[in-house]
Formats: sequence, structure tokens, C-alpha cells
Amino acid sequence: EVLLVESGGGLVKPGGSLRLSCAASGFSFSYAWMSWVRQAPGKGLEWVGRVKSKTDGGTIDYAAPVKGRFTISRDDSRNTLSLQMNSLKTEDTAVYYCTQDLNYGAFDPWGQGTLVTVSS
Amino acid sequence: QSVLTQPPSASGTPGQRVTISCSGSSSNIESNSVNWYQQLPGTAPKLLIYSNNQRPSGVPDRFSGSKSGTSASLAISGLQSEDEAEYFCAAWDDSLNGPVFGGGTKLTVL
Repeated sequence: EVLLVESGGGLVKPGGSLRLSCAASGFSFSYAWMSWVRQAPGKGLEWVGRVKSKTDGGTIDYAAPVKGRFTISRDDSRNTLSLQMNSLKTEDTAVYYCTQDLNYGAFDPWGQGTLVTVSS
Repeated sequence: QSVLTQPPSASGTPGQRVTISCSGSSSNIESNSVNWYQQLPGTAPKLLIYSNNQRPSGVPDRFSGSKSGTSASLAISGLQSEDEAEYFCAAWDDSLNGPVFGGGTKLTVL
């Protein structure tokens, strides 16, 4: 069974940092492109960024609102995707989903999500 | 403000056919394929349609997608109560160099 499980969410003050993790199983993680997508409370979906597989160059791309503050990384030996979030703002409050990126806006499957709340 | 535009709500009665629209531009829908997601209350999104009109394994053929120019549509025929969910469209945007989503359409089964 293909499974993605996020962890690491929580409450953090503006300007603070948080690191999210996503444990993958049931598929060839090292060959997969992986993305983070977030959803603010009661709002729509927003792509955060993605990392390609090392065989495809390992390129990492970010959405404009998080570029320079967030860092995506992958550990293929542990089948783990990470999202390091620095200089957090209140508008970063959202459920963060880990998902396999099939390219061109197609994502499947999705993890259950982890809630990040940025508030003083 | 989402890059792709969807109506905020839609509704239908059991057995009816409902369509949800998604409007974009030349940099996204017109030049790239469209994908649709279903998000049941309190759960993660699920890929419903990819590459404009392809259904992943396990998705009933009651769900279908189409695209024309800068717009796309999701059609649900034989509406069922379990179809009550939020639906999102998505496409790659060549100008933004990333995927963009619609704001979502909340479907109510009356």
C-alpha cells in the first residue's frame, strides 16, 4: 500500500522555524518527484515546492511566497521528504500535505497532512 | 485570489448530472493539461481526473473531464450523496513555472 505520513506540525511564533517530515512507503521513493502543497483554513490549495528525483537531476523549485524562506530536501536512504520552514509568517498557517508529483499539476497520492499554525 | 477560477458552489439532486467549470488563461489551461481533485470533508485531496480526461484506477466512470481553449469542466453523472465534497482544478502555469489551482467548488447533494 502506498502511504505518505507527515509529521512535525505545531504552533510557532511569527519569525520562528519549523521542520516538517514526510515518511513514504509502498513505492519507489527514490525515483519519485515529491511536492509539498498547503491549504490555509477554509481556503484552496497552494503549491509550495517540489524536488525531482536524483535520476532526473534533483532540481528543487519553490513557489514565490516561500522562496528564500523554505527549503525542501529528500533522504532517499530513509524514504523521507522534509520541509524546513524559516522566518514563518501568519499567512503560512495551513495544513501542509506531502504528495507525489506526477508533473503538470497532477499529484497522487497525498498524505493526511500536518497543521502548522503561526501565531503570537 | 486563485489563478484558476471556479464557481464557489454547485448543487444537484441524486441521479442528476452536474458540471463544474474551471477558467484559466493561455499560460495554463490552454497550453497544459488539467487535473481535478476531490476533497471529502476533513480529508486530504484525491486525484480524480488527470490529463484533462483520464481517470485513475478506482475512480468511477461517472466522473469525466473535458477541456476547450482556456476552460475545463468536470462532469459528474448519476450524482450520489457520497459525491458531496469540494472539487479543485489544477494545471501547470508556464508563466509562473509551477502548478496552479482553482479556488475550489463545494458540491452539495440536495
